[in-house]
Amino acid sequence: GQNIDQPTEMTATEGAIVQINCTYQTSGFNGLFWYQQHAGEAPTFLSYNVLDGLEEKGRFSSFLSRSKGYSYLLLKELQMKDSASYLCASMDSNYQLIWGAGTKLIIKP
Amino acid sequence: GAVVSQHPSWVICKSGTSVKIECRSLDFQATTMFWYRQFPKQSLMLMATSNEGSKATYEQGVEKDKFLINHASLTLSTLTVTSAHPEDSSFYICSARTGERDTEAFFGQGTRLTVV
Repeated sequence: GQNIDQPTEMTATEGAIVQINCTYQTSGFNGLFWYQQHAGEAPTFLSYNVLDGLEEKGRFSSFLSRSKGYSYLLLKELQMKDSASYLCASMDSNYQLIWGAGTKLIIKP
Repeated sequence: GAVVSQHPSWVICKSGTSVKIECRSLDFQATTMFWYRQFPKQSLMLMATSNEGSKATYEQGVEKDKFLINHASLTLSTLTVTSAHPEDSSFYICSARTGERDTEAFFGQGTRLTVV
């Protein structure tokens, strides 16, 4: 079946580093997305991984291990504006997205 | 990135009335558009997939007679919630892809629907 798991909530301190994990079971896996969603707003695209390894984009990095069905989003130098939900989504063989429930990240000063 | 405009951003309607939500791709042609709904603190749930010029494909459990989707052009898709009830109150979001194999989905701003 199709399944995505990520923690419900995480708390971190401003200026620190946080890693949000995501595990998936997706038939015909076609890549893994991370989106950021502020309350009441639509998700915005952060990253896409289809090959194993780490992709770095400024303060945000995303990692994928296809053999383990595992990904993480790494946020460095946390800022208060990073407080949001982070959604993990995998793409299946039909190019459809399967969404996780999201991880609410709370940043404390 | 490409821009998807969704309108209205929020709407309050009376129970029993219908509400139309528009989703436009402003600077690209969207062959495929997706409609999602999201309840508070829950994941995005795909309601239906629409391809320009053809009937939408609805996900299991979504009433196609209640949630009417029209994708009449390559830049516009509409979702009409017919005979709305309070349980239809939700956040509705559209997204679009330029082609079947494009991996990035561009999202509209979302529409907060409240049925009173």
